[in-house]
Amino acid sequence: GENVEQHPSTLSVQEGDSAVIKCTYSDSASNYFPWYKQELGKRPQLIIDIRSNVGEKKDQRIAVTLNKTAKHFSLHITETQPEDSAVYFCAASIQAAGNKLTFGGGTRVLVKP
Amino acid sequence: DTGVSQDPRHKITKRGQNVTFRCDPISEHNRLYWYRQTLGQGPEFLTYFQNEAQLEKSRLLSDRFSAERPKGSFSTLEIQRTEQGDSAMYLCASGVGGRVTGELFFGEGSRLTVL
Repeated sequence: GENVEQHPSTLSVQEGDSAVIKCTYSDSASNYFPWYKQELGKRPQLIIDIRSNVGEKKDQRIAVTLNKTAKHFSLHITETQPEDSAVYFCAASIQAAGNKLTFGGGTRVLVKP
Repeated sequence: DTGVSQDPRHKITKRGQNVTFRCDPISEHNRLYWYRQTLGQGPEFLTYFQNEAQLEKSRLLSDRFSAERPKGSFSTLEIQRTEQGDSAMYLCASGVGGRVTGELFFGEGSRLTVL
């Protein structure tokens, strides 16, 4: 089955700096890659996603890149703010196989004011 | 709130007791998923339904776990003869099958503590 690895497990950045989280996946059939943000005690919420036919996607301060050949994808957060502090999870799924998400282990991001 | 709702939010039980969690998905969503999340880890897939049919179960789902979605709406997850290793957050998510992007909407979770 699919295996998703996520690095780093913790990331501390100064407010205004950029943060980058990297994930690799094992199943070349995976074609949908979402990123979820989970604040303490809250539900995971989708912040951005990308399909396998797209190399990059941006939404304001957040961007995701995908390298299908290398089977890795990354989340980039620019101009970080204290409210970006949370745990971020990458995931992968095969749309034709039920959209069952396989999650990475998570990255705890701390933005220091 | 018209999102995914779960009940109870917290459950403390003694080892060996049975527990049941309920999930009410977003009404127009035909797919419903159960995940388990332990502290510091990502959610792990347990099982999913399309309408009332249970289409896949993870190897993580031992014989003590059973899930149902009898009318294709709400779902229940029952754990029989609970063990301390069952302590975790049980997350429910719903989505619409057939969409290319496949976004899942999560509930707040049901936290289980087995003493």
